[in-house]
Amino acid sequence: GESVGLHLPTLSVQEGDNSIINCAYSNSASDYFIWYKQESGKGPQFIIDIRSNMDKRQGQRVTVLLNKTVKHLSLQIAATQPGDSAVYFCAENNAGNMLTFGGGTRLMVKP
Amino acid sequence: DAGVIQSPRHEVTEMGQEVTLRCKPISGHNSLFWYRQTMMRGLELLIYFNNNVPIDDSGMPEDRFSAKMPNASFSTLKIQPSEPRDSAVYFCASSRGLAGGRLQETQYFGPGTRLLVL
Repeated sequence: GESVGLHLPTLSVQEGDNSIINCAYSNSASDYFIWYKQESGKGPQFIIDIRSNMDKRQGQRVTVLLNKTVKHLSLQIAATQPGDSAVYFCAENNAGNMLTFGGGTRLMVKP
Repeated sequence: DAGVIQSPRHEVTEMGQEVTLRCKPISGHNSLFWYRQTMMRGLELLIYFNNNVPIDDSGMPEDRFSAKMPNASFSTLKIQPSEPRDSAVYFCASSRGLAGGRLQETQYFGPGTRLLVL
């Protein structure tokens, strides 16, 4: 889920399908991770978080998976809906008190 | 809860003018963060406060930028003088703060201030 400059990776899914958004994080010492959803014209909105002592955490229609071995984080959205269309950011706590954000992935849901 | 409140929502100004952005964090949160978001650089942390004290301002681009937090319910980010390259969306976020010196609580973002410097 990293991006460079103006280009955001885009995931296009059919309404009702499951979505998986991936993120590679940088610091093996990071111990807290968050997924945010940002809709056009709005601020990032908290979706779900996970601490490094867990591999999986589930919320309502969302699941976050953490693979510390390969420093990989994923967000799974079940039964994707048009309202899920947004840019999704992963963030890691890798500097004590601050979050570092990934470049984002744009999710487009086709009706 | 009203969430994080930012004002103004939109600001258009001319190069050289002073710009002041305002933020009211969520009540009870003791950490406050200022971010800047652009298409080219994504979301960048500028500065953050804990218990009204600036902890890390290494992300502040240059001396033209300054931030204050006079009390637990108010913070400002000032740009003086503003330049066209400062055009961006500026977000304020707050969290319940730190545990053992490490961020262990999620940050909640405001709606942002969209700044355009002509």
